[in-house]
Amino acid sequence: GQQVMQIPQYQHVQEGEDFTTYCNSSTTLSNIQWYKQRPGGHPVFLIQLVKSGEVKKQKRLTFQFGEAKKNSSLHITATQTTDVGTYFCAGTSGTYKYIFGTGTRLKVLA
Amino acid sequence: DTAVSQTPKYLVTQMGNDKSIKCEQNLGHDTMYWYKQDSKKFLKIMFSYNNKELIINETVPNRFSPKSPDKAHLNLHINSLELGDSAVYFCASSPGRTRNQETQYFGPGTRLLVL
Repeated sequence: GQQVMQIPQYQHVQEGEDFTTYCNSSTTLSNIQWYKQRPGGHPVFLIQLVKSGEVKKQKRLTFQFGEAKKNSSLHITATQTTDVGTYFCAGTSGTYKYIFGTGTRLKVLA
Repeated sequence: DTAVSQTPKYLVTQMGNDKSIKCEQNLGHDTMYWYKQDSKKFLKIMFSYNNKELIINETVPNRFSPKSPDKAHLNLHINSLELGDSAVYFCASSPGRTRNQETQYFGPGTRLLVL
């Protein structure tokens, strides 16, 4: 079945350093979404990418969708302690069924 | 106003018991989901309903039975609880009008512990 892997599984960074998480799907995706889950919280939608090669920015966050629509990345510039949490990508092949990635847990050291 | 709410927030129960988790959304969405998040934080979809019709039914033991009495509610009943059922169960909803561009809104989760 369809699988979505994320690397790294864990990342500890010093506050102010950059952070990137990568998402790879075993199948071509129709679109990909990114969610953030704070410790003890629930996933919260960040963004959706639909077009091949699409790049979107939200303040310090940059999201990219690969040309082949099988991979994506989330880059955070100059991390802050408020960025702590688990970041999930979620992809669909065109149905309501979104497969969530394995997640990357980010810890930011002050 | 809470968009997606779940009750109870915490559930501690004995093996073999039957329990239900309730979910309600006030967003006017047509599609609702149940996800299971295990101790490793993996989020797995279990079920989805669109306009009260079951549209996603993943490989879940038949001890788990969802029920959607109306578009705003999706409940999850679990029979004969097992230790491995311990997890956080999230309900989510999405508009349900563009199947491949659906932003999902998650509830706060129900933390189930089976002893």
